[in-house]
Amino acid sequence: DTAVSQTPKYLVTQMGNDKSIKCEQNLGHDTMYWYKQDSKKFLKIMFSYNNKELIINETVPNRFSPKSPDKAHLNLHINSLELGDSAVYFCASSPKIVGVQYFGPGTRLTVT
Amino acid sequence: AQSVTQPDIHITVSEGASLELRCNYSYGATPYLFWYVQSPGQGLQLLLKYFSGDTLVQGIKGFEAEFKRSQSSFNLRKPSVHWSDAAEYFCAVGARLNRDDKIIFGKGTRLHILP
Repeated sequence: DTAVSQTPKYLVTQMGNDKSIKCEQNLGHDTMYWYKQDSKKFLKIMFSYNNKELIINETVPNRFSPKSPDKAHLNLHINSLELGDSAVYFCASSPKIVGVQYFGPGTRLTVT
Repeated sequence: AQSVTQPDIHITVSEGASLELRCNYSYGATPYLFWYVQSPGQGLQLLLKYFSGDTLVQGIKGFEAEFKRSQSSFNLRKPSVHWSDAAEYFCAVGARLNRDDKIIFGKGTRLHILP
């Protein structure tokens, strides 16, 4: 039983397209996150939600829009994809803000 | 705001040798401290954490870390590494003061194991 799952695992698309990544956690956690990991493995937070409320919105282009339909789900929609968006995107959940984070397996996005 | 530094980008050790990965943080009070491991193509997995109490923390897979307030460090150690320990290791620091506090990750240390 996967604790934090993401779909798809791989996503290859062309510049200008719109795509979504879905995340679900079955741990009953209140807080969920999106992280971006670049080619140098640097991990940077993008967004965090607590009880479906947006808490953190880092300096991310507004082409990225997270949506949390309920506490167990946090989706990421990306409009007008650019080459620089190519990265691995990780979803994570935590029982509290600034707690132990449980990561999903990641979604490798490649923009051509 | 807090920050975290992992001075070593790559570390190479022989199988069976001891290991120490360095982590230094900057924060005005006692932060929450974490070590995560990322195997190739995988997500991050928690090795251990420090919130308070005993400054020597035991984790999974035989790892331990020691919180040293005077040195602002939280170094990860293992007495004898195995080939399966080859991975990327991330130190992270967090502080719970405000609603929008977050965990900051270091840039990672890639561990290579020589047979």
